[in-house]
Amino acid sequence: GAGVSQTPSNKVTEKGKYVELRCDPISGHTALYWYRQSLGQGPEFLIYFQGTGAADDSGLPNDRFFAVRPEGSVSTLKIQRTERGDSAVYLCASSLAGWSSGANVLTFGAGSRLTVL
Amino acid sequence: GEDVEQSLFLSVREGDSSVINCTYTDSSSTYLYWYKQEPGAGLQLLTYIFSNMDMKQDQRLTVLLNKKDKHLSLRIADTQTGDSAIYFCAEGSQGGKLIFGQGTELSVKP
Repeated sequence: GAGVSQTPSNKVTEKGKYVELRCDPISGHTALYWYRQSLGQGPEFLIYFQGTGAADDSGLPNDRFFAVRPEGSVSTLKIQRTERGDSAVYLCASSLAGWSSGANVLTFGAGSRLTVL
Repeated sequence: GEDVEQSLFLSVREGDSSVINCTYTDSSSTYLYWYKQEPGAGLQLLTYIFSNMDMKQDQRLTVLLNKKDKHLSLRIADTQTGDSAIYFCAEGSQGGKLIFGQGTELSVKP
């Protein structure tokens, strides 16, 4: 598509529930990134994919967070047993290539705002 | 580990220059980036600089890099009210991910 698309734009859930957030990257972009942005903070890296595989998942805070990209395009971020502290805007970005020696220009989506009550 | 620091707020008058500063710790950073975030909108890339350059100019934007001190700045000439936003610097090294600072909120008063 023309830009990075994220759904839902807003999600309100109850503590303990399971949540899935979807990201549709720019067509042809091989690298896909998930970030989390809390109020008043900068984006915090969670995980990035090169194709179908997770190249770096060092930012996932614990084992309740998981992400997949089975066909190397759309990605889903999955959060189990949500906690109030998970409330944030979850940003997805894509780029042409994460491993190249040139500048890695990330294009961001508008984000999915998650509120855990 | 990697860390990027920015001052939180900057207020200027319309028509003045704005200078937003950033420091980073990762000496292996190959590129440094400036992103802009307007209320309710996603992050938008403004410009970036390769780590072996000292300066890059792009219309009203000037980026200065002091690699020895790991200090990066973004100067916006003739600042307009439409420049009011949060500005993030980010560093990227081999491996793809970008590490962002906490953002500087720029307020432009008429």
